[in-house]
Amino acid sequence: EPEVTQTPSHQVTQMGQEVILRCVPISNHLYFYWYRQILGQKVEFLVSFYNNEISEKSEIFDDQFSVERPDGSNFTLKIRSTKLEDSAMYFCASTAGLAGYNEQFFGPGTRLTVL
Amino acid sequence: SQQGEEDPQALSIQEGENATMNCSYKTSINNLQWYRQNSGRGLVHLILIRSNEREKHSGRLRVTLDTSKKSSSLLITASRAADTASYFCATPRDSGYALNFGKGTSLLVTP
Repeated sequence: EPEVTQTPSHQVTQMGQEVILRCVPISNHLYFYWYRQILGQKVEFLVSFYNNEISEKSEIFDDQFSVERPDGSNFTLKIRSTKLEDSAMYFCASTAGLAGYNEQFFGPGTRLTVL
Repeated sequence: SQQGEEDPQALSIQEGENATMNCSYKTSINNLQWYRQNSGRGLVHLILIRSNEREKHSGRLRVTLDTSKKSSSLLITASRAADTASYFCATPRDSGYALNFGKGTSLLVTP
């Protein structure tokens, strides 16, 4: 069964450093997403990506964040200068159609720890 | 905001019992989804119910949707220890591009 994969599973970084989180969505999906979940809290939407551009972003997704689909398979989230409060699980997801109307497939997540 | 809010926050039952979780939301939606999250893992889609449906079944799961009350419930029948997880309802964002998740119900099923 196709699945969304994410690397690395755990990333530890120093405050102020740049990190890139990587995702491989399901191959025939067209919509891609990043969510985050701070420990013990709810899953929060960060950004959605369709047709090689951002389709929506939340207020969390500020100038420190960027997304890219560098090739036909990878989807990345970059945090330019990490802060302590960026520590969270980051989930990538993909859908065949709009998430508001279709099942979202989530990756296993990357746990980001900012020291 | 269209975010769903689950109730109760935590639920502890014994194997074989039924577990019921509720979700309330604030604005009109065209569908509502339920997801499960095992500890430290990603979310797994359980079921999507459309606004013109009142009830939907999938295996031991039964979901209801009452659009007049802006609420949904997830019933897990004959629960098993493997059902131990957090359960979230999710509603479409205004744009339809993504989902808003509630805070979830943490379910513990003891043998």
